[in-house]
Amino acid sequence: GQNIDQPTEMTATEGAIVQINCTYQTSGFNGLFWYQQHAGEAPTFLSYNVLDGLEEKGRFSSFLSRSKGYSYLLLKELQMKDSASYLCAGSGGGNKLTFGTGTQLKVEL
Amino acid sequence: EAQVTQNPRYLITVTGKKLTVTCSQNMNHEYMSWYRQDPGLGLRQIYYSMNVEVTDKGDVPEGYKVSRKEKRNFPLILESPSPNQTSLYFCASSFAPLTLGDGYTFGSGTRLTVV
Repeated sequence: GQNIDQPTEMTATEGAIVQINCTYQTSGFNGLFWYQQHAGEAPTFLSYNVLDGLEEKGRFSSFLSRSKGYSYLLLKELQMKDSASYLCAGSGGGNKLTFGTGTQLKVEL
Repeated sequence: EAQVTQNPRYLITVTGKKLTVTCSQNMNHEYMSWYRQDPGLGLRQIYYSMNVEVTDKGDVPEGYKVSRKEKRNFPLILESPSPNQTSLYFCASSFAPLTLGDGYTFGSGTRLTVV
């Protein structure tokens, strides 16, 4: 499967902006997903990028560079409820979806 | 309510005793998948299915079986569970292929402990 790398944890302040990076191997890559997972809950879908560029969805944006094997998730106007794990996942052939180990984001006052 | 339903939510069992974790979705989704989630390893795909009677291995299929006899159900079978299969399991489904940007909808999870 894909090799997906993302930082293990990050801390940010309420109201601030945070960028969570993700790198992946480009061979066999179709598109890139971001999911949010609160502790003890199921992952929920945030965004999908297949073309280069930025996709904006309210406070959340996701960016993809296919040639560099790089994506990021940008969270603006951080709220305490944004404290969660953010999972980067690459889709390959069939309906395979390979996840990174997740970035645990802690939002502080 | 549109959802993916897994049962049971929690299960403690003994090594070698066959078990089945059920998964059902009411959204008429074509695609279904099973994942396990372990600390430090993240979510790893066990099996996926693109249609009735069509299943394929994910990244960690050893020790697991699946079947897709009808569209809504995708049970995960552990014929002879071992302690290294202690994990949090998620079933997921999607209407369209992932390549069309249709993300998986996940069930609430099944926490399995094998002693």
